[in-house]
Amino acid sequence: GAVVSQHPSWVICKSGTSVKIECRSLDFQATTMFWYRQFPKQSLMLMATSNEGSKATYEQGVEKDKFLINHASLTLSTLTVTSAHPEDSSFYICSAEVPGYPFLDTEAFFGQGTRLTVV
Amino acid sequence: AQSVTQLGSHVSVSEGALVLLRCNYSSSVPPYLFWYVQYPNQGLQLLLKYTTGATLVKGINGFEAEFKKSETSFHLTKPSAHMSDAAEYFCAVSVNYGGSQGNLIFGKGTKLSVKP
Repeated sequence: GAVVSQHPSWVICKSGTSVKIECRSLDFQATTMFWYRQFPKQSLMLMATSNEGSKATYEQGVEKDKFLINHASLTLSTLTVTSAHPEDSSFYICSAEVPGYPFLDTEAFFGQGTRLTVV
Repeated sequence: AQSVTQLGSHVSVSEGALVLLRCNYSSSVPPYLFWYVQYPNQGLQLLLKYTTGATLVKGINGFEAEFKKSETSFHLTKPSAHMSDAAEYFCAVSVNYGGSQGNLIFGKGTKLSVKP
């Protein structure tokens, strides 16, 4: 299957600083990528949909000015957590969609996730 | 609106025993359903999916799931558990009609423990 790589796997940052997380599709071009957040012992919640060359679409309740998403190329989307606070500590996971034909064969591949700890 | 309910946040089975993880869904359109597995500090791996056609879906690692429309269920089973099956399992439904897996509604997950 296709490979999606996230970097870094884990990061610790000080409160008030910004952190950038990269999501790369290694062997395919992804026009659409998705960012999820997972709190401990809870499920994944979709934060935003990232489309190459256009603005990201954020889910209700997600602060777009705090979670900046840039999908500058067909293989890279970045999530920047600005002015991070301890409550932003979480596991962030991206996925990239591989268009299928027929459409029902479309599949999303997930990165390995990034554990962010804000101290 | 779509939603997913996974019954049981934690399931424990003995090695070699049947694995049954329950998932019920709610969807206003014909659902596209998925099961994912997550190992600690890793991303998600697709186990299997149901889009259309045969209601019994076979996936990787010996898992299978049956779509039952009348029961709005998509339970995951495996005849014989292995130690390596210990992980967190998530059931999900696609928000977008058409099977796109990007925009998914996930259940809260079921942690599977396998005892030797």
